[in-house]
Amino acid sequence: AQTVTQSQPEMSVQEAETVTLSCTYDTSESDYYLFWYKQPPSRQMILVIRQEAYKQQNATENRFSVNFQKAAKSFSLKISDSQLGDAAMYFCAYRSALVGGSRLTFGEGTQLTVNP
Amino acid sequence: DVKVTQSSRYLVKRTGEKVFLECVQDMDHENMFWYRQDPGLGLRLIYFSYDVKMKEKGDIPEGYSVSREKKERFSLILESASTNQTSMYLCASSLDSYSGNTIYFGEGSWLTVV
Repeated sequence: AQTVTQSQPEMSVQEAETVTLSCTYDTSESDYYLFWYKQPPSRQMILVIRQEAYKQQNATENRFSVNFQKAAKSFSLKISDSQLGDAAMYFCAYRSALVGGSRLTFGEGTQLTVNP
Repeated sequence: DVKVTQSSRYLVKRTGEKVFLECVQDMDHENMFWYRQDPGLGLRLIYFSYDVKMKEKGDIPEGYSVSREKKERFSLILESASTNQTSMYLCASSLDSYSGNTIYFGEGSWLTVV
């Protein structure tokens, strides 16, 4: 079974600075997707960014980018120019590409605080 | 935009009661999921369904059952609620089992069992 680990329960960053959230995962599969979801106080889960394991290029969405290290099974999220609205719980998640493997497996979450 | 609606945002139930949590999606998605979210544990999968009347156990199915009689609706049932089922429950859906598809979430149902 796949596992996802986020070793930082809490992180903080100053507004306009850059912060990196860590995620590691364990799998024996070679084809899969990785995701970062954001959960603000409203509790609505919002997809931030996704990465396909077969793509070597790191995904980028505006101020959000990932550092995907397949051999190390590491998938970190970098938030540049942090804004107050980035404050939220962030979850890393794994989804297998195998037939029938449609579930998302989540990490424990990292609570990000943005200080003005 | 895809909308996943959980009909009850906040519920308080007594130990031993039968509890129904309802979830409806409006985009003809095949896959639907029920997760439970607890502090420090992230989201854990209870059950998922990949078609009408089809269901599979997730990681923590004990004490729960599900029903999917129509494609748009996926219900989570607590046959006899217990205090350790106090939690937030999140419903989700995706178009199909292609792993790159986005999984969309509802806003969550806070359940307190007293």
